[in-house]
Amino acid sequence: GEDVEQSLFLSVREGDSSVINCTYTDSSSTYLYWYKQEPGAGLQLLTYIFSNMDMKQDQRLTVLLNKKDKHLSLRIADTQTGDSAIYFCAESVSGYSTLTFGKGTMLLVSP
Amino acid sequence: NAGVMQNPRHLVRRRGQEARLRCSPMKGHSHVYWYRQLPEEGLKFMVYLQKENIIDESGMPKERFSAEFPKEGPSILRIQQVVRGDSAAYFCASSPTYRDVNTGELFFGEGSRLTVL
Repeated sequence: GEDVEQSLFLSVREGDSSVINCTYTDSSSTYLYWYKQEPGAGLQLLTYIFSNMDMKQDQRLTVLLNKKDKHLSLRIADTQTGDSAIYFCAESVSGYSTLTFGKGTMLLVSP
Repeated sequence: NAGVMQNPRHLVRRRGQEARLRCSPMKGHSHVYWYRQLPEEGLKFMVYLQKENIIDESGMPKERFSAEFPKEGPSILRIQQVVRGDSAAYFCASSPTYRDVNTGELFFGEGSRLTVL
């Protein structure tokens, strides 16, 4: 079955880098996503990566994928207080299938 | 272009009442997904619908829950005879007629938060 696991909580100081980790079990996962949820709001897509990629960089965000270990990470450089939110890892077998989400990692950025 | 619209944002019901949650997808989107987020849990898939069709309801509880997406109007998630365990945030997401094969992205609404007293 499909399962996505994440650490539940991360606390960093403003200006530091944040690394949020995720593991998944479905070896046929093709699309992997990071969504951000601010308090009281819906989910917003931050970035995504295909399973045939090892890394993707988008401004302050770097996604690393270790397909052998089924491990995905999201690095946020120069973390700001506005980055405080819950970050969800999600996977999909195809671009047409439903997404399976982890429980989310709450990132708290202190000044 | 308005995003995915959900209403009500907050709904309070007593045990045994019915809850109806509505979702209007983004313009041009004909695929709707409902997810449930229980307290301190991730999002769990419930049901995937296209206009007038249920494509996948594997995540929907067999009793008391139903969903529809009529030809005209919003998608509706209906919960009959609510119990305290139904208290959760219910999120709707939509995608274009053909999922963007470059991202497979789902666009989420802000959610409807159901509280059952």
